[in-house]
Amino acid sequence: GQNIDQPTEMTATEGAIVQINCTYQTSGFNGLFWYQQHAGEAPTFLSYNVLDGLEEKGRFSSFLSRSKGYSYLLLKELQMKDSASYLCASTDSNYQLIWGAGTKLIIKP
Amino acid sequence: ETGVTQSPTHLIKTRGQQVTLRCSSQSGHNTVSWYQQALGQGPQFIFQYYREEENGRGNFPPRFSGLQFPNYSSELNVNALELDDSALYLCASSADLTGAFSGANVLTFGAGSRLTVL
Repeated sequence: GQNIDQPTEMTATEGAIVQINCTYQTSGFNGLFWYQQHAGEAPTFLSYNVLDGLEEKGRFSSFLSRSKGYSYLLLKELQMKDSASYLCASTDSNYQLIWGAGTKLIIKP
Repeated sequence: ETGVTQSPTHLIKTRGQQVTLRCSSQSGHNTVSWYQQALGQGPQFIFQYYREEENGRGNFPPRFSGLQFPNYSSELNVNALELDDSALYLCASSADLTGAFSGANVLTFGAGSRLTVL
């Protein structure tokens, strides 16, 4: 079956660094997305990885290892506004997105 | 450039009723997909429309149906509502569906329609 696993909840301190992990099993693979979703709002695109390695975009970076079926989202210099759910989604062989349940990130002052 | 707009934002129905949710896609986007998101869960793919034709469907029964119009706006219809249909329904549009991933298939989501079935 197809499955995306990510931690349910994480807590971090303002100004610190946090890494949110995601493991995936999909029939075929055509890239992995990370989306951010604030409570009561729509998900917004953060990153897309299709090749192995680290993609850096400002305070956010995303890593992919296709051989391990593993990705992580790295958030640096955490700000209170980063409190949100972070959704990992893998594309299967039909280019359909399979979503994880999301990781709720709580930032404390 | 306008984003994705959905209506209504909130609605309450009773079991057995029917509901229609509407979505206007972002300007320049020709693909629309619908998702169901239960509280505390990730989105579940319902179906996708490209140029007015359904070209992908998730594990949802036939009472979930949809349409895409020539202006790329879309409707989601749910018949014979059940209590478990209570959820946030998200519409997302994207620029293309050619199978050639170039980042152009990034989804732009609407704010959703929250459906409560009593």
